[in-house]
Amino acid sequence: GENVEQHPSTLSVQEGDSAVIKCTYSDSASNYFPWYKQELGKRPQLIIDIRSNVGEKKDQRIAVTLNKTAKHFSLHITETQPEDSAVYFCAAVTDKLIFGTGTRLQVFP
Amino acid sequence: NAGVTQTPKFRILKIGQSMTLQCAQDMNHNYMYWYRQDPGMGLKLIYYSVGAGITDKGEVPNGYNVSRSTTEDFPLRLELAAPSQTSVYFCASSYSVRSSYNEQFFGPGTRLTVL
Repeated sequence: GENVEQHPSTLSVQEGDSAVIKCTYSDSASNYFPWYKQELGKRPQLIIDIRSNVGEKKDQRIAVTLNKTAKHFSLHITETQPEDSAVYFCAAVTDKLIFGTGTRLQVFP
Repeated sequence: NAGVTQTPKFRILKIGQSMTLQCAQDMNHNYMYWYRQDPGMGLKLIYYSVGAGITDKGEVPNGYNVSRSTTEDFPLRLELAAPSQTSVYFCASSYSVRSSYNEQFFGPGTRLTVL
């Protein structure tokens, strides 16, 4: 079955700096890669996603890139703000969604 | 739309007790899922359903059962609760998986403690 690895597990950045979270997946049939943000005590919320026929997607300060050959995909957050502090999960989808282990991002003012 | 709703929000069980976690969605979604999230950890898929009458195991199905008699409801049953089942349980739904409408919407979660 699908296996998704996510790095790093924790990430601390200064406000205004960029943050990058990386994931790898194992199943070449995976065709959809969403990213979720989960604030403390709350449910995961979709922030951006990318499909296997696209290499990059941007939404304001957030971008996601996908390298299908290497089975890598990454989340890039620019100009980080304290409200970006949360746990971020990547996921890969074939017939079901398998999550990565999460990255705790802390943005210090 | 209420989206995805879950009841109860919190529950404490004794070892060996049973309970059903309720999940309902009003978005006419075909796919429904149950995840568990242990403290400081990611989400693990327990069971999922691609439509009424169809269910399938996820990554961690042992100790749980599900049913899907209607499109709207997807209850999760715990038989003989164990401390290892202490977790936050999230239900989610999506219209599909392989189409353009496959965003998963999550419920607010049920925090379960087994003592």
